Amino acid sequence: EDQVTQSPEALRLQEGESSSLNCSYTVSGLRGLFWYRQDPGKGPEFLFTLYSAGEEKEKERLKATLTKKESFLHITAPKPEDSATYLCAVQPGAGSYQLTFGKGTKLSVIP
Amino acid sequence: GAVVSQHPSWVICKSGTSVKIECRSLDFQATTMFWYRQFPKQSLMLMATSNEGSKATYEQGVEKDKFLINHASLTLSTLTVTSAHPEDSSFYICSAAGTFQETQYFGPGTRLLVL
Repeated sequence: EDQVTQSPEALRLQEGESSSLNCSYTVSGLRGLFWYRQDPGKGPEFLFTLYSAGEEKEKERLKATLTKKESFLHITAPKPEDSATYLCAVQPGAGSYQLTFGKGTKLSVIP
Repeated sequence: GAVVSQHPSWVICKSGTSVKIECRSLDFQATTMFWYRQFPKQSLMLMATSNEGSKATYEQGVEKDKFLINHASLTLSTLTVTSAHPEDSSFYICSAAGTFQETQYFGPGTRLLVL
């Protein structure tokens, strides 16, 4: 059974204080690992897809990295508008294109 | 690009009534659409997967007669909650994936409250 564990559950940062969110996973093969951002009362917003160990992707203050067992979402010099819940999901290598989600990390950036 | 809409965004209904939620892909053709529900402070739980023109595939524990899914076109899927009860109150979110099905793009969600 595919499993995704995200840590920490919640993270409070001062504006400008860089940090990382962790996503550990077990999956039967890996087609892709996905990061989404979810604001309260909204649907998830797609951020990144990572396909193989060693891959990195960046978007503004966010950088996602992938190893064979985990992914990190690095946030550099965060701003209050980066406050949201960040979700990690895995897609298995064979069969359906379903996603298995972690419970998310709720990030709060304090001005 | 990759915009998905849902309608309505909010619905309140009486117990025993049916509610229909629409999910549309606005700027791409969605080969596959997915329906999730999300309880407060919980992650997304997949309810069912639907392919255009085919019957939906439901996850274990999801009643297919209660949650009717129709994917009649490449841009529209509907979820009908039949004979809704208070325990069906939740946040329902759809997602759509295009031809290569790899990335799912999510709608804004529909909050259902059954009184």
